[in-house]
Amino acid sequence: AQSVTQLDSHVSVSEGTPVLLRCNYSSSYSPSLFWYVQHPNKGLQLLLKYTSAATLVKGINGFEAEFKKSETSFHLTKPSAHMSDAAEYFCVVSFFGSSNTGKLIFGQGTTLQVKP
Amino acid sequence: DGGITQSPKYLFRKEGQNVTLSCEQNLNHDAMYWYRQDPGQGLRLIYYSQIVNDFQKGDIAEGYSVSREKKESFPLTVTSAQKNPTAFYLCASSSRQVIDNQPQHFGDGTRLSIL
Repeated sequence: AQSVTQLDSHVSVSEGTPVLLRCNYSSSYSPSLFWYVQHPNKGLQLLLKYTSAATLVKGINGFEAEFKKSETSFHLTKPSAHMSDAAEYFCVVSFFGSSNTGKLIFGQGTTLQVKP
Repeated sequence: DGGITQSPKYLFRKEGQNVTLSCEQNLNHDAMYWYRQDPGQGLRLIYYSQIVNDFQKGDIAEGYSVSREKKESFPLTVTSAQKNPTAFYLCASSSRQVIDNQPQHFGDGTRLSIL
C-alpha cells in the first residue's frame, strides 16, 4: 500500500536558523512528490515538486528538497528561517502507474513555528 | 489572474439541511477535486472529476454529492446524511490527471460549521 509519513507533527526553530521537515513515503511504484504550504485559513500553495528529473529540487521562498530513493525520503530544507515561514507544511505523494489515478496521498502535516 | 474561487468562506448548517459549497476555476483545468481537512489531519479526498459530466468517489464520499456540468465549476453538496460535517473544505484543480504529475492548485477553502 502507498503511504506518506511526516515524521514530526511540530517543528520549532529560531529565525535565521536552518529548517528541516522530514517526510518518508512507501510505494510500489515510481512516485511523484510534492511539498505544499498552508497558512491559517488558506488553501495549499505548491512549494516544489519532484518528478524524476533531478533528485535535488529547488522551490519557492528558498526551500529545497532532496529525493533519496534508498531511504524513501523527501525531506524539505531551508538554510535560514524567516518569520513568514511559520505555517503548516504537507508532504504529498502521487503514484505514477498505480490504480489510484487522480488521487494524491497527503501526509498529516508539520506545523513550523519560527521564534524571533 | 487565474485561480480557484471558493464561496462562501464561512458556512453554517442546521440539522437536516443540505448545503452547497461553490468552486469555480478559470485556469482551464480539466480535473477538479474536493478535499476535507480536519484539525491535525491531512487532506482526505471526497470526490474528483477528470472531465465534464463525469466524477468519481474519493475515500470519504458518503454524505456528499457533486456535479460537473461545466468545466469551470464543481459544486459540492453536503447532505443531511453527513453526520459530522464540521470541517475545512478545499477545492483543487489540475491541468491533467494526477498520473501526469501535474500539481494541484487550491482554493482558499470554506469552513463549514453546524449550528
